[in-house]
Amino acid sequence: GESVGLHLPTLSVQEGDNSIINCAYSNSASDYFIWYKQESGKGPQFIIDIRSNMDKRQGQRVTVLLNKTVKHLSLQIAATQPGDSAVYFCAEISTMEYGNKLVFGAGTILRVKS
Amino acid sequence: EPEVTQTPSHQVTQMGQEVILRCVPISNHLYFYWYRQILGQKVEFLVSFYNNEISEKSEIFDDQFSVERPDGSNFTLKIRSTKLEDSAMYFCATGLAGEGSYNEQFFGPGTRLTVL
Repeated sequence: GESVGLHLPTLSVQEGDNSIINCAYSNSASDYFIWYKQESGKGPQFIIDIRSNMDKRQGQRVTVLLNKTVKHLSLQIAATQPGDSAVYFCAEISTMEYGNKLVFGAGTILRVKS
Repeated sequence: EPEVTQTPSHQVTQMGQEVILRCVPISNHLYFYWYRQILGQKVEFLVSFYNNEISEKSEIFDDQFSVERPDGSNFTLKIRSTKLEDSAMYFCATGLAGEGSYNEQFFGPGTRLTVL
């Protein structure tokens, strides 16, 4: 079946340090995995995605790593800033006949200490 | 930058009442979705809508729920007879994703529904 879960519910980091948020998934048939950021009172905001045939993808200050052997996804944030404080969700794409369904994990709270 | 908008931002209703949540998608998007998030929990898929039809729905989306795009712009979620457990944030998302491919879904800010 489909399920996506997270190892750590809360992560506290010092400003300027790197953050690593982890996620485990179970559906090996997913084509894409995505990280979303959700700030208080707002909807999920796309951060970065990775296709299942890749193992690493870099964006601006963020890197996503995919380990299909152990079905593990991680989001690395370099030089974490106070504005990075939010809930981070991993999600996998479940492709439908029309459109795509997102299956979200439970979420990790990232708290950045100044 | 175009964005998805939702109204109202907060809806308080009595149990058993009907509510309609509204979404204005990004103008050239073709695929529309509703998700919900119970407080402190993960975001859950409710329904997808394409070409004026439901393309998929979850087990949460029972007969009390319906969606429509009545005027070609607004995309609405109706809950006919609200229950206490319907209290949640409801997010509209829209996208350009085609068959078998993936494109980003853009989320609105959400409507907080409180059922008393």
